[in-house]
Formats: sequence, structure tokens, C-alpha cells
Amino acid sequence: EAGVAQSPRYKIIEKRQSVAFWCNPISGHATLYWYQQILGQGPKLLIQFQNNGVVDDSQLPKDRFSAERLKGVDSTLKIQPAKLEDSAVYLCASSLGVVRGGPDTQYFGPGTRLTVL
Amino acid sequence: KQEVTQIPAALSVPEGENLVLNCSFTDSAIYNLQWFRQDPGKGLTSLLLIQSSQREQTSGRLNASLDKSSGRSTLYIAASQPGDSATYLCAVQWEGGSEKLVFGKGTKLTVNP
Repeated sequence: EAGVAQSPRYKIIEKRQSVAFWCNPISGHATLYWYQQILGQGPKLLIQFQNNGVVDDSQLPKDRFSAERLKGVDSTLKIQPAKLEDSAVYLCASSLGVVRGGPDTQYFGPGTRLTVL
Repeated sequence: KQEVTQIPAALSVPEGENLVLNCSFTDSAIYNLQWFRQDPGKGLTSLLLIQSSQREQTSGRLNASLDKSSGRSTLYIAASQPGDSATYLCAVQWEGGSEKLVFGKGTKLTVNP
């Protein structure tokens, strides 16, 4: 079974530029998550999709970050304009999204490392 | 506020030693707790998941325990090996919310040959 795919793996940009990350979840997974992991910190959820709909975007800086999930499959996360503090690893995860009768295991991609200069 | 804390931030041990990593969380109304492993430049790999009704889970040389009332979990690694060197992250899902995981900052483990 193929895992969660992300691209690019690395990106270096200057502040005020824009950048986009792409995620392809595991086939059949209804729920998709974007996490931000700053160096030395644990991942922090930015946004959670259930199929096409947003479940939780309470920690997404909406003035500069946006995300969409195309046809309930692939997703893109965009930052415009980028700030120095956006330097981090952006992790995508997916899960089956079953009704809560048991744990819904999240599977993580390798991440995209963003450096903002 | 729902928070997860991990102590120590870093740990260095000789090969073969048994070790314990600690995780504490505020608010005992958890749904489940997971331990992840993260290798440099790679994503997270789930090691063990303990549901709120469980006290422990075991996989090979790993054993995770959960004490909801005290807000604590431990990850025990037996007979450590250099290949165990990685960052170990604890994450909690709380009741009543989305499936969001709240992570600790992790413990960076180095096992020296």
C-alpha cells in the first residue's frame, strides 16, 4: 500500500514570496490533516479536512495561509506572503475517518521542509 | 488548555540499557494516547496507541503505559539498540473534539554503541 506522498521535499524562499505544498493521501482515506512542525517542537495541527469539508482550521493563520482539498483527494497548502517564522516542516497525514467506534490511525507523509530567508 | 509535556528533552544511553520516556498531559478526559517515532528528515511512524480504557500496550521491546487519573504515560524501551536512536513524540486525542492530535515537543534519544 502506497503511503502519504508530499512534494516538494525541500523549499527555500525569501520572505514575502508565496509557496505551495502538495499532498496525496492514502487511497480511500477520507480525512486529511496538515501539521506545522517548527524545529524543536511537536507538530501542530493547521487544518483538518473530512472529504471536501473543513473540520478544524482554528490554528490556521488565515491572513496568509490557505488550503484546499481537491475532489476530496489531493490537497494543497499555500502561504502568501511567507514570513521568517513560517520556516518549519509541513507534514500531511491521512486517516480512514471512520465513525468514532475506535481509534482512527493517522499516517504521516515525509514532510516538506520550508526555509524562509 | 489541553497540553502535552515530555521529559526529558534529550536522553543519551549506552547500548543494551533499559530506558523510560515520560509524557504528561492536562485534562484526563482523553480519547487515546499515541507514541510516535520520528527519524531525521522523515515523517512520523506510529509505535503504540493506547485507548482511554486501556492501561498499557506492548509491541516487541516497547511497552507503553497510561495512567489517566494522574495524566501520565511512559514508554519503556528494553535492551536499547543504536537503531532506536530517534525522536519520540507523545500525542493525545481528547474527548469531544475533532480527531486532532496534540503533540509534546518530543524526547531525542541517542543510543551509543
